[in-house]
Amino acid sequence: DQQVKQNSPSLSVQEGRISILNCDYTNSMFDYFLWYKKYPAEGPTFLISISSIKDKNEDGRFTVFLNKSAKHLSLHIVPSQPGDSAVYFCAASALVDKLIFGTGTRLQVFP
Amino acid sequence: ETGVTQTPRHLVMGMTNKKSLKCEQHLGHNAMYWYKQSAKKPLELMFVYSLEERVENNSVPSRFSPECPNSSHLFLHLHTLQPEDSALYLCASSQDRGGDAGINEQFFGPGTRLTVL
Repeated sequence: DQQVKQNSPSLSVQEGRISILNCDYTNSMFDYFLWYKKYPAEGPTFLISISSIKDKNEDGRFTVFLNKSAKHLSLHIVPSQPGDSAVYFCAASALVDKLIFGTGTRLQVFP
Repeated sequence: ETGVTQTPRHLVMGMTNKKSLKCEQHLGHNAMYWYKQSAKKPLELMFVYSLEERVENNSVPSRFSPECPNSSHLFLHLHTLQPEDSALYLCASSQDRGGDAGINEQFFGPGTRLTVL
């Protein structure tokens, strides 16, 4: 049973527009959520995180929104740039250091 | 070298071979992890070492044997693997602050692409 789900395997967005990547989870005990970005032939790199006590965290072009009642979080990238093209993984944790990952969403930003 | 390094980057082995994957972190972290990434599946946590002691073993078959000789090095010894074990194996490290410090950001290596014939 997948506790963290990214239902969109891919997303294509025009440069300059907003990219919205979605993630759903089933475990109400999750209290920390992270987004990782992965380029081909590289390991995932940490992008942004949010604690369950918040509903929004912003870092430059990246904003993560958390809706606890819906068990849903999203990553907004605005404006999108071609260098943002990568696979984005959502991850959640109910215990320190144990992360449960989603399957990833491949984002392609075209000119 | 900086960050987390993994060797080899690619490995092809037969089912009767014995091989080892190596991970080294240069970040001064005290926790290290092995993950498996199969096609179209989530990243699966395999093993966690904190302060060189194994604290997590997610029902991984015994044909995978981890070793953490010190806080900077982590190995995954492979023996009599099956074709379905072919995957990308990722190593990660973090600074385990414990308690209520919250989740600790994990830094990943580039992975070893393993193919079992």
